Amino acid sequence: GAVVSQHPSWVICKSGTSVKIECRSLDFQATTMFWYRQFPKQSLMLMATSNEGSKATYEQGVEKDKFLINHASLTLSTLTVTSAHPEDSSFYICSARRQGRTNEKLFFGSGTQLSVL
Amino acid sequence: AQKITQTQPGMFVQEKEAVTLDCTYDTSDPSYGLFWYKQPSSGEMIFLIYQGSYDQQNATEGRYSLNFQKARKSANLVISASQLGDSAMYFCAMREGYSSASKIIFGSGTRLSIRP
Repeated sequence: GAVVSQHPSWVICKSGTSVKIECRSLDFQATTMFWYRQFPKQSLMLMATSNEGSKATYEQGVEKDKFLINHASLTLSTLTVTSAHPEDSSFYICSARRQGRTNEKLFFGSGTQLSVL
Repeated sequence: AQKITQTQPGMFVQEKEAVTLDCTYDTSDPSYGLFWYKQPSSGEMIFLIYQGSYDQQNATEGRYSLNFQKARKSANLVISASQLGDSAMYFCAMREGYSSASKIIFGSGTRLSIRP
């Protein structure tokens, strides 16, 4: 079963509204979660690294005030797209890293398709 | 500069044949990790395989193996006995460093199509 839950799966909103996307690690504690954005037929672009209990680290070109990230607990990170505009329409996907003794995996949520009208 | 390079935008392979998907990377950090993911048309990201920079042996997971050539900085994915269900986008990714906050970046992907 899924180990990272992302909600909602899709959202349609009017321009100017804010949208919150939740990402939960279900059976492990994730000190670090990552938020990616993916345009159709393109790769995943890292937006920010979300660290539990501290401020997120944003990639160059990603507006901090536009994409608010909160990682309030070891199992929950949220991405809020503030005052969304049509150009923010995209597939947003979160991930959480689980590090083992000999292996590590990056588990992904199922993604959120955002359409801004 | 590109940190992760996948030079094959698309590939067609006959069912049951083996296929190699190329991935090269660039880092000066001695501690890093390499991942391969599969993304079918549904959009979900499916973990396939992981290779740590200090791992002595090539990683294997069922039909997937990673041909890790450290000196060449390549981490090609080999899929043996391909199946129709293998048709999907495949992404190579790298984590530089080993702190909990080390970011993970993705290559541009390869679209693999399996012919019956």
